[in-house]
Parts: sequence; C-alpha cells; structure tokens
Amino acid sequence: IAGITQAPTSQILAAGRRMTLRCTQDMRHNAMYWYRQDLGLGLRLIHYSNTAGTTGKGEVPDGYSVSRANTDDFPLTLASAVPSQTSVYFCASSDSGGRQGMYSNQPQHFGDGTRLSIL
Amino acid sequence: SQQGEEDPQALSIQEGENATMNCSYKTSINNLQWYRQNSGRGLVHLILIRSNEREKHSGRLRVTLDTSKKSSSLLITASRAADTASYFCAGGGGATNKLIFGTGTLLAVQP
Repeated sequence: IAGITQAPTSQILAAGRRMTLRCTQDMRHNAMYWYRQDLGLGLRLIHYSNTAGTTGKGEVPDGYSVSRANTDDFPLTLASAVPSQTSVYFCASSDSGGRQGMYSNQPQHFGDGTRLSIL
Repeated sequence: SQQGEEDPQALSIQEGENATMNCSYKTSINNLQWYRQNSGRGLVHLILIRSNEREKHSGRLRVTLDTSKKSSSLLITASRAADTASYFCAGGGGATNKLIFGTGTLLAVQP
C-alpha cells in the first residue's frame, strides 16, 4: 500500500540520549515535512525539505536536525533529547504539483506518527 | 505563533445532524486545507480550497473561504458515527507547501 511509513511507532527515551525517527515514502513526492503535535497546540512544523539534498527550518527547529539524502527518506534526529521534546511526531509528504519549484496548492500525506516520551 | 484557531474546540451532535466548524487564520494564504485525524492515527486530507475560491463541495463536505475576514468553515452534512474525529484547518502560502495548522475541533457524533 502506497504511503508514508514511520518508525518506531512509539519510544521511551532517557533524557540526553540521541534518537533518530525514521520516515519513508513510496509516492516519489519531492517535498517532505516533520511536525510535532502537542495537546492544545495543533501541529507545528519542525523541518521540511522541498527536494532531495535540500532542507529548511520550520516553526520549532531547535534541538532537531534532518537530512534528505534521497527522495524517499527523511529522518529526524534529536541529538540530545530533553523532556520538552515529549510529543507525537508526524512525517508528511506532498507532490510538486507539476511545476518545478512550485509546491503550493497540494495536499499533504501523513504517516501514523511516532509517540516519543523523554524521561 | 502564526497558528490559526478553530471554533468550537469540541462539538457533540447526533447522527444525521449537520456539523459546522470554523477556522480563523492570521497570515496571507494561497489555499486553505481541511484534514481529519482519527484517534491514534495520522492526518487525512479532506478538501482544499484556493484563495480565489469562495465555496467548494466534496460529497457531504462543504467548505467556504472568506479571505477578507481570514476565515473558513467546514460543514459536514448528515453526520455519521464514523465522522467522529478531530478536524484541523491549515493555511498554505508561498512557493513552498508549508502549512500552518489550527488547533483543531474534536467532533463526536453520537449514534
């Protein structure tokens, strides 16, 4: 089934540890995104990538890093986890809409999330 | 924060009734999208309305957009128990497809 796969589905992590959340899509979408979802705050963009080899910062990038070595994979790394990073993390992708460099007016497709608890 | 706000935060209705959710946003947008999220799952795209459109329909969904008031509404007609979920609006703008999400409306449809 085409879509986005996130791993792990959940994780409990000690503060100070390094953690990489994995995201893979098989829709050949150029753009990919990482969000965190916290109760009462909706979804907030952490980092995004418009195409393989490029990344950009979202609304809440501090403490997180990403890489985009190829079209399909977009891992999110917490270098040294802190309790405030306890959240549900969602990966998403979107098509380019047929015009190179233009991604507006396209729906985003989401994975089922990674529930991360930092103790 | 540039997030939008949704109203109401929670809504409980009976099956067969209509459900209306409102969204207000702060920045200029190219489009306004609505998503549904079932408990424990990711978001699912429902409908997209462009900034030059005022109303759009898709099945039992009707979306309106008023760019002068920076607001949108989602109407679900003849609701079903399966419509129980959280609903989020998201504004998209610029050459990228970055979205700014609202805080969501939790809809409960009682059978």
